[in-house]
Amino acid sequence: EVQLVESGGGLVKPGGSLRLSCAASGFTFSSFTMNWVRQAPGKGLEWVASISSGGSYIFYAESVDGRFTISRDNAKSSLYLQMNSLRVEDTAVYYCVRQEDLVVVVTATGIFDYWGQGTLVTVSS
Amino acid sequence: DIQMTQSPSSLSASVGDRVTITCRASQSIASHLNWYQQKPGKAPRLLIYAASNLQSGVPSRFSGRGSGTEFSLTISSLQPEDVASYYCHQSYNPRATFGQGTKVEMK
Repeated sequence: EVQLVESGGGLVKPGGSLRLSCAASGFTFSSFTMNWVRQAPGKGLEWVASISSGGSYIFYAESVDGRFTISRDNAKSSLYLQMNSLRVEDTAVYYCVRQEDLVVVVTATGIFDYWGQGTLVTVSS
Repeated sequence: DIQMTQSPSSLSASVGDRVTITCRASQSIASHLNWYQQKPGKAPRLLIYAASNLQSGVPSRFSGRGSGTEFSLTISSLQPEDVASYYCHQSYNPRATFGQGTKVEMK
């Protein structure tokens, strides 16, 4: 059974830092691109960052680029999100998400097939 | 970034009604469009991938169609357990984007 368990959320002051972790099990972690997706209270979903299976390709949303760093440790089946210079608007539940890459006609597309339960990050003074 | 626009933002329907949600992309994304269901306090769940493919375990009353910039998700006969928010997601660009969501309520 695929499981994604996030940890590391909490209350932090504006300008502070926090590191989220995601422990994966039930699948070959090193074969999948992984993502972080967040959801502010009462709002919709916002993709935050992705990292390819080997860690070579990394992408960030414009809203977090330069402040957040996604990384992974395939030996430990773990995904991380280092969040620096946190802002009030970063307050959200952060989900760890597995990406399945499927071939559609002749091109690959990444679907978000498994999600963790989320960890809440609150940025407030 | 590719902008995804969903409509309506919310709807109210009765049990057995046919419900359709639309999603429009700011540029062509071929069939790289996925749909998710999210119930209150829960993580999202994949319903439809690549515009029209039903994810394993999802009831057949859910269906998706479209390509290019116009897409739709249809629930053929609304059930009480379908009360949730629904989101479209484009996977054409590695910087993924979601629609703003559609909240489906029971009348």
